[in-house]
Amino acid sequence: EVRLSESGGGLVQPGGSLRLSCAASGFILSTYGMSWVRQAPGKGLEWVSHISGSDGRTHYAESVKGRFTISRDNSKNTLYLQMSSLRADDTAVYYCAKDPWGYGIDYWGQGTLVTVSS
Amino acid sequence: DIVLTQSPGPPSLSPGERATLSCRASQSVSSSYLAWYQQKPGRAPRLLMYGASTRATGIPDRFSGSGSGTDFTLTISRLEPEDFAVYYCQQYGSSSITFGQGTRLEIK
Repeated sequence: EVRLSESGGGLVQPGGSLRLSCAASGFILSTYGMSWVRQAPGKGLEWVSHISGSDGRTHYAESVKGRFTISRDNSKNTLYLQMSSLRADDTAVYYCAKDPWGYGIDYWGQGTLVTVSS
Repeated sequence: DIVLTQSPGPPSLSPGERATLSCRASQSVSSSYLAWYQQKPGRAPRLLMYGASTRATGIPDRFSGSGSGTDFTLTISRLEPEDFAVYYCQQYGSSSITFGQGTRLEIK
């Protein structure tokens, strides 16, 4: 059974940094593309970043480019999102998701809340 | 980036009625790269359709998708009480993903 479990969310001050983790089970993370998708309180879905399963190529939304970094540790079957220079508008629930690019995001974690506030 | 605009949806519908949700793209989208999701309050989204018209695993056949180019539709043939939720369309570009703003289906 595929499971995705995010952790690392919390309260952080503007300009601060945070690293989100997503532990995957039931599949080999490195063989599939993975995305981070966020949802601000009461708002819609916003794609943040993707890492390809085959070659590790990464893509970012313009809103986070240069501030966020997606990566994975194959030995731990874990996906990460390193976030820096955080702003109030980064406040959202962040979902880790299995995303074999082009075939729909078929599995989602439960989400972890990031709150950027002083 | 391609912008996806979803119709506001009907004010409310009753169980058993048909729902038609619209998703319009600012430029042509490959049908292969158009998906639909359902989200209920406090829950992660669930994949309904991909490739514009292919149902995801476990999705009942009352859900169907169609469209091409810039206009796509999700149809729910006979609404069940559990279908009242927010629905999002999503497209894959060459190096980015965009979602529509969502359509809320409310029960009458």
